[in-house]
Amino acid sequence: EAQVTQNPRYLITVTGKKLTVTCSQNMNHEYMSWYRQDPGLGLRQIYYSMNVEVTDKGDVPEGYKVSRKEKRNFPLILESPSPNQTSLYFCASSFVAAKPYEQYFGPGTRLTVT
Amino acid sequence: AQSVTQPDIHITVSEGASLELRCNYSYGATPYLFWYVQSPGQGLQLLLKYFSGDTLVQGIKGFEAEFKRSQSSFNLRKPSVHWSDAAEYFCAVGAYNTDKLIFGTGTRLQVFP
Repeated sequence: EAQVTQNPRYLITVTGKKLTVTCSQNMNHEYMSWYRQDPGLGLRQIYYSMNVEVTDKGDVPEGYKVSRKEKRNFPLILESPSPNQTSLYFCASSFVAAKPYEQYFGPGTRLTVT
Repeated sequence: AQSVTQPDIHITVSEGASLELRCNYSYGATPYLFWYVQSPGQGLQLLLKYFSGDTLVQGIKGFEAEFKRSQSSFNLRKPSVHWSDAAEYFCAVGAYNTDKLIFGTGTRLQVFP
């Protein structure tokens, strides 16, 4: 089954404790992206990647890091999480050839930083 | 700059009633438009998309949307709502040959039996 998977689905952590949210897709998509969803703000893009070793900032990149060492994986790293990063995070992927991208979304990761 | 406005934060309808969710966009050229649905605890699922051609597009789950260039709108409609349609709905716009989708803030749909 074609899908985007994220782990963990739920995470509660404390300020400053480094964490990684994994994202993996099995559709051979070149493009992958991370969004955060906050009430009243919709989805905002954090980072995206056009292919392996190619990443770029989205609209709200501060406090986040990403890497793209393999085509299927695109982890989101919070080096020192803060309470304002409490949010619902979505990973998405698509084919680069299909501009603008018809994106496939993962189930989401709900992060709480205390 | 591109933007998407969904004027209705929350809509409540009775099961069997018709539905229209509003979406207005701001973009200088012909936009590429999407509607996504997010069911509780789920990721976003693509309902339908408009790239070109017929301005009335059909999607999954009985939804349709109409692109109206003169009104900069792409409203989502369904003639008869089912209880399972209760979810949050997002309109999104993408510009040709760019990497980005711009999402609206979403409309939460509640369906009463």
